[in-house]
Amino acid sequence: NAGVMQNPRHLVRRRGQEARLRCSPMKGHSHVYWYRQLPEEGLKFMVYLQKENIIDESGMPKERFSAEFPKEGPSILRIQQVVRGDSAAYFCASSPGPQNYGYTFGSGTRLTVV
Amino acid sequence: DAKTTQPPSMDCAEGRAANLPCNHSTISGNEYVYWYRQIHSQGPQYIIHGLKNNETNEMASLIITEDRKSSTLILPHATLRDTAVYYCIAESGSARQLTFGSGTQLTVLP
Repeated sequence: NAGVMQNPRHLVRRRGQEARLRCSPMKGHSHVYWYRQLPEEGLKFMVYLQKENIIDESGMPKERFSAEFPKEGPSILRIQQVVRGDSAAYFCASSPGPQNYGYTFGSGTRLTVV
Repeated sequence: DAKTTQPPSMDCAEGRAANLPCNHSTISGNEYVYWYRQIHSQGPQYIIHGLKNNETNEMASLIITEDRKSSTLILPHATLRDTAVYYCIAESGSARQLTFGSGTQLTVLP
């Protein structure tokens, strides 16, 4: 019974490259949430998705960031033309329904932009 | 969303109860209190949540004051593995997102 799987665990990108972060939710979970944690800070909500739908993207930067959760396959958080300020840990969580409790978080992807 | 206030750090002796306080004096009627913890930069882990009644599960107990302006998370027998940052969050059940503050760094001492 695998938990939320995120890959890669560590990702290094040069400024201007693209970063793709993947998240496979727990089996039976159709709701996915992405959070970002900058060094020495708390987690910040980015986006909430259900299969094939973005429900709430109020925490997403207006440019360069996008997210999807296709009918088949993992959820993808895509960052285009990365900058040093994008260096952070990106966590994905999943839940079986639209709720705030009992999220299961993945181990995160640590993005370093050099 | 209600703002929560937690002490930045606490220590607790191994085997003793850890009592983590949280103030949420502006909480509104439809906002729940959630507790999550984050062990050394791993993904956060859900602990417990409640609206106005005290709650208990296999991990912890949550005591919410009658006026709901504050709450306490109780880890009944703290172990070294409970060392983590504990986040108290007040959020409406329909918000579908959690607002993490700075949390309390709990250190369990041998």
